[in-house]
Amino acid sequence: EAGVTQSPTHLIKTRGQQATLRCSPISGHTSVYWYQQALGLGLQFLLWYDEGEERNRGNFPPRFSGRQFPNYSSELNVNALELEDSALYLCASSDSRWRGYTFGSGTRLTVV
Amino acid sequence: GQQLNQSPQSMFIQEGEDVSMNCTSSSIFNTWLWYKQEPGEGPVLLIALYKAGELTSNGRLTAQFGITRKDSFLNISASIPSDVGIYFCAGQVNTGNQFYFGTGTSLTVIP
Repeated sequence: EAGVTQSPTHLIKTRGQQATLRCSPISGHTSVYWYQQALGLGLQFLLWYDEGEERNRGNFPPRFSGRQFPNYSSELNVNALELEDSALYLCASSDSRWRGYTFGSGTRLTVV
Repeated sequence: GQQLNQSPQSMFIQEGEDVSMNCTSSSIFNTWLWYKQEPGEGPVLLIALYKAGELTSNGRLTAQFGITRKDSFLNISASIPSDVGIYFCAGQVNTGNQFYFGTGTSLTVIP
């Protein structure tokens, strides 16, 4: 069974540009979660999607947005990139029992 | 959001030593999870706890769901170099809610 897959693995953007990160959950998982992990820091909750709807949002500005597609894959968009957006962005998925998350390996976003 | 405090923040131990870390919250949780993250990778689930007082083992790892439901503990026995990484706890208030993550404990094992 394939795990949670994220693409791209690495992404380099310049300040002010937009970044799009993608996530495919484990087959059968309907919930997708996005977390930001800045260097040396913990996991900061960004967004939670379930069945195509945004369930909850962390304390991040509106330029962080996303969506979930009918096949449950998800996209995270970051507009007007700032240097401090440089981080590892982790996607996780869970099934309808919500008993735990499975994480992908992340997308390393570097803003220069 | 919920605050989960992990301690210690970092540990430097000799190979073969036992390790203990804990996680406390201001809220009562019904599920506790422990994850390990290695450099450049996403966190990997180690142990899941679903009942207060529950003690669960996974090889050399043992975790407990505190009876107050506001804390959890992770022990690693006879540490080895591959135990190096950051260990995160995560808690869930109710089934169907998101998990909140702790601040992490960075473990370094000296051969």
